[in-house]
Amino acid sequence: EAQVTQNPRYLITVTGKKLTVTCSQNMNHEYMSWYRQDPGLGLRQIYYSMNVEVTDKGDVPEGYKVSRKEKRNFPLILESPSPNQTSLYFCATVPRTGGNTEAFFGQGTRLTVV
Amino acid sequence: DQQVKQNSPSLSVQEGRISILNCDYTNSMFDYFLWYKKYPAEGPTFLISISSIKDKNEDGRFTVFLNKSAKHLSLHIVPSQPGDSAVYFCAASIQAGTALIFGKGTTLSVSS
Repeated sequence: EAQVTQNPRYLITVTGKKLTVTCSQNMNHEYMSWYRQDPGLGLRQIYYSMNVEVTDKGDVPEGYKVSRKEKRNFPLILESPSPNQTSLYFCATVPRTGGNTEAFFGQGTRLTVV
Repeated sequence: DQQVKQNSPSLSVQEGRISILNCDYTNSMFDYFLWYKKYPAEGPTFLISISSIKDKNEDGRFTVFLNKSAKHLSLHIVPSQPGDSAVYFCAASIQAGTALIFGKGTTLSVSS
């Protein structure tokens, strides 16, 4: 079954404690990205990756890091989380760039930073 | 500056009637537009898309219309069903298949 898997689904942490949210896909998709969803703001892109070892900033990259060492995984790293990073996070993948294809989303990670 | 705008935060429709969700965009470079549906506690799921070279795309009960001159697209759901109740996001991209710019979403409620 084609899947985009995020872990954990829920996380409560304290300010400043480094955390990683994992994203894994089994569809061999080239393009992966991270979004955050906040009330009244919709979905905003944090980082994206066009392929292995190729990453770039989205609209709201401050406070986040990513890596793409292998095609299937695209972890989101918060080195020093702050309360304004409390949000609902989604990982998304696209089969290939340049074609009219839709993104597939994971089920989301609800992060609370206290 | 918001490039994709969904100006109606919510819409209520009776079962069997038509639901029309609207979306406006400002960037004339967008060439691909999509609608996503999102239920609580789930990720967004793709609903329907349209390329900028078309003005209409239909898939079952769902039709998307694109008016490039007005920089406006709309999603029509006919007939609306209670299971259609969800948040609907409009999205656009410049290079198809890459960065999606989302609107803030419209919550559709279909009553039986």
